[in-house]
Amino acid sequence: EAGVAQSPRYKIIEKRQSVAFWCNPISGHATLYWYQQILGQGPKLLIQFQNNGVVDDSQLPKDRFSAERLKGVDSTLKIQPAKLEDSAVYLCASSLDLALAFRETQYFGPGTRLLVL
Amino acid sequence: AQKITQTQPGMFVQEKEAVTLDCTYDTSDPSYGLFWYKQPSSGEMIFLIYQGSYDQQNATEGRYSLNFQKARKSANLVISASQLGDSAMYFCAMRGQGGSEKLVFGKGMKLTVNP
Repeated sequence: EAGVAQSPRYKIIEKRQSVAFWCNPISGHATLYWYQQILGQGPKLLIQFQNNGVVDDSQLPKDRFSAERLKGVDSTLKIQPAKLEDSAVYLCASSLDLALAFRETQYFGPGTRLLVL
Repeated sequence: AQKITQTQPGMFVQEKEAVTLDCTYDTSDPSYGLFWYKQPSSGEMIFLIYQGSYDQQNATEGRYSLNFQKARKSANLVISASQLGDSAMYFCAMRGQGGSEKLVFGKGMKLTVNP
């Protein structure tokens, strides 16, 4: 079974530029998550989708970050304009179904390492 | 709100020895799940083991076991017979009972296995 796919793996941009990340979850997984992991910290949830609806985006900096999952499968996370503090690893994860709640295991992709200069 | 504490910044262990990675947590939810993930230098978070708050027995998955002490609010990961490939960052995480509860991670700790 294929895992969570993400692209690109690495991205270097200058501040005030825009960037987009793509994620394809495990086939059949209804729930998709985007996390930001700053160096030396654990991942922090940015946004959570159930199919194509947003469940939680309380920690998404909405003035510059946006995300969509239009057909309930793959998803795109965008940053516009980027700031120096956005340098981090952006991880995508998926799980089978939110209905299983706290028991649901999330499976992660390889991440995208973003460096903002 | 949930909180995870991992106080060990780094540990060293000899190959083939057992090692315990500490994790304490705080929550007011009566039901919750605890997870351990491994993150090698490649960056991917790899799921290792899960423990439910009402599970009667401590979880085990191959060389990984979880020493769950509910009263102490601790969920320590035990790796038996360490291998060189176990060198990585290890993260403890938890999730509460609500369907939209976030998976909250600790800061992680770095394990180095020496030959």
